[in-house]
Amino acid sequence: DTGVSQNPRHKITKRGQNVTFRCDPISEHNRLYWYRQTLGQGPEFLTYFQNEAQLEKSRLLSDRFSAERPKGSFSTLEIQRTEQGDSAMYLCASSTRTLYEQYFGPGTRLTVT
Amino acid sequence: AQSVTQPDIHITVSEGASLELRCNYSYGATPYLFWYVQSPGQGLQLLLKYFSGDTLVQGIKGFEAEFKRSQSSFNLRKPSVHWSDAAEYFCAVAANAGNNRKLIWGLGTSLAVNP
Repeated sequence: DTGVSQNPRHKITKRGQNVTFRCDPISEHNRLYWYRQTLGQGPEFLTYFQNEAQLEKSRLLSDRFSAERPKGSFSTLEIQRTEQGDSAMYLCASSTRTLYEQYFGPGTRLTVT
Repeated sequence: AQSVTQPDIHITVSEGASLELRCNYSYGATPYLFWYVQSPGQGLQLLLKYFSGDTLVQGIKGFEAEFKRSQSSFNLRKPSVHWSDAAEYFCAVAANAGNNRKLIWGLGTSLAVNP
């Protein structure tokens, strides 16, 4: 069990550029979650996958955001036409069908200049 | 709607002193409750969880938490704080909306430890 990994750990981009983040969950975990955390706040739910199916998206997730989980393994989160308000820590977590607790990766810190 | 309140934004304790971090939740049914810790540059680490049964749960790093249904609380405690405990602490409740068990979080409590 190598834990949840996320890449890159840090990303600095200019406003208007597209960015993509990757999350590799714990290998036997079929549930995968994305959260966003801004300074001084708790994480906020963005989207949820069970295997390869994206079953829920938060209303926080504008149409500039898209997430995929091909083959039910790793997941990617893409933000198109980034805005300064997208600057945040993007957290990925994984779990199983029988677990309620989630295991988190180290996060990807996005800075939009 | 489900919600979590952590009334204390920032707490400072002396090393060796006892600690209690407060958490109140709003949830219609039996909640699934968690405490996570986040150190600078680190991800969120699960400290402990409560699902059912014994209302006093033990976690890692010497932490414990007590579930009190009558007070809708799940406070985190540690008898003797170490300097390495300085971090951000988050209380969370799992939504039980079908298959989606997304976590709903408090704003966190920042813990500072004086030597």
